[in-house]
Amino acid sequence: AQKITQTQPGMFVQEKEAVTLDCTYDTSDQSYGLFWYKQPSSGEMIFLIYQGSYDEQNATEGRYSLNFQKARKSANLVISASQLGDSAMYFCAMREGSNSGYALNFGKGTSLLVTP
Amino acid sequence: NAGVTQTPKFRILKIGQSMTLQCTQDMNHNYMYWYRQDPGMGLKLIYYSVGAGITDKGEVPNGYNVSRSTTEDFPLRLELAAPSQTSVYFCASSYLGTGNTIYFGEGSWLTVV
Repeated sequence: AQKITQTQPGMFVQEKEAVTLDCTYDTSDQSYGLFWYKQPSSGEMIFLIYQGSYDEQNATEGRYSLNFQKARKSANLVISASQLGDSAMYFCAMREGSNSGYALNFGKGTSLLVTP
Repeated sequence: NAGVTQTPKFRILKIGQSMTLQCTQDMNHNYMYWYRQDPGMGLKLIYYSVGAGITDKGEVPNGYNVSRSTTEDFPLRLELAAPSQTSVYFCASSYLGTGNTIYFGEGSWLTVV
């Protein structure tokens, strides 16, 4: 069964607008971590934001925020004031203790294109 | 700071050849991982290690082998390369637990022809 589901293969947003990238997850662990990574066309994996399962507040990092809804098993990434440089692939991932040495389990990604 | 270093960055292999992707980290991390990423897809776990001398299979281990003789190094061996192994390979490391300190290498682009 898919552990991380990203239902939006591609998204468009206009520069300076906000955009939400969806992510749902499946786990029976009580302790887990949720991550978002950005992968530009150059290929490197850039860490954006992290949310622990016990964190009561939604994580924020600059223009990135994570809308964490634990009961719905949802961890959506919100990018505010989009910039052209935000055009990239975005991956949601989960880390849980019961999985392969705490390895990250990735979704298939969402391709974001920011237009002028 | 070096972090996680992967070599080579690019390589073209012929079918049936073998090669080793090198991965070294200088952060004294216990956990190390090898992932592959096929075009347009997320990363899939090939092998992982929770410490020197301890390795285990991930989701897609067929056609690969690993070893972990030291804390720093976690090489990935491709035996009898096949076109299906054309992919981008990422090495990653972390200390332990479900925290957010996971470091990725820059990736190795491998083409098998």
